[in-house]
Amino acid sequence: GAGVSQTPSNKVTEKGKYVELRCDPISGHTALYWYRQSLGQGPEFLIYFQGTGAADDSGLPNDRFFAVRPEGSVSTLKIQRTERGDSAVYLCASSLNTHRADTQYFGPGTRLTVL
Amino acid sequence: SQELEQSPQSLIVQEGKNLTINCTSSKTLYGLYWYKQKYGEGLIFLMMLQKGGEEKSHEKITAKLDEKKQQSSLHITASQPSHAGIYLCGYAGGTSYGKLTFGQGTILTVHP
Repeated sequence: GAGVSQTPSNKVTEKGKYVELRCDPISGHTALYWYRQSLGQGPEFLIYFQGTGAADDSGLPNDRFFAVRPEGSVSTLKIQRTERGDSAVYLCASSLNTHRADTQYFGPGTRLTVL
Repeated sequence: SQELEQSPQSLIVQEGKNLTINCTSSKTLYGLYWYKQKYGEGLIFLMMLQKGGEEKSHEKITAKLDEKKQQSSLHITASQPSHAGIYLCGYAGGTSYGKLTFGQGTILTVHP
């Protein structure tokens, strides 16, 4: 595809449930990033991958959050035992590499609502 | 940790007016990004600045990074309703080059 795609666009779940959010990066981009954006705030970094490996997961809030990128392309963000505070827009981005000058291109986001 | 402060937090202008949004850092910026976000959508890349004094333009939007590389400004000339949205500045730096840290955003409303 031409840009970063994310599915689903909206996800409503109940407290305590497990959710998976998917990101399909731009073809050929080796780096993939996950951010979380709460209402009225800028995006906050969660984790990024260079290839298949997580290069920096310092932004994951706790061990309920986990992300994988098994083949170096599509990534899945997994949230266990969801809490109401997890409600936010989850944004995915990709870039050619991870140099400072490599622009990150963002997907449309997944809006997660935990009831 | 280094943080970015954007000002103003929100801005309402009449169509055709010029406006400026500022992004200030407490430390030197080694890569400063400007993005635009429509409500409920992802971020659209506008420009990236690296060198002190650097200035870039795209259509009616101009961004500049000051000489000391601690402040950037985004200027819109003759604003249009299509310019409305949230403008976000972000920097890449520290020990994790891939990680972008964003300001809180500036909400721009343009009245026709």
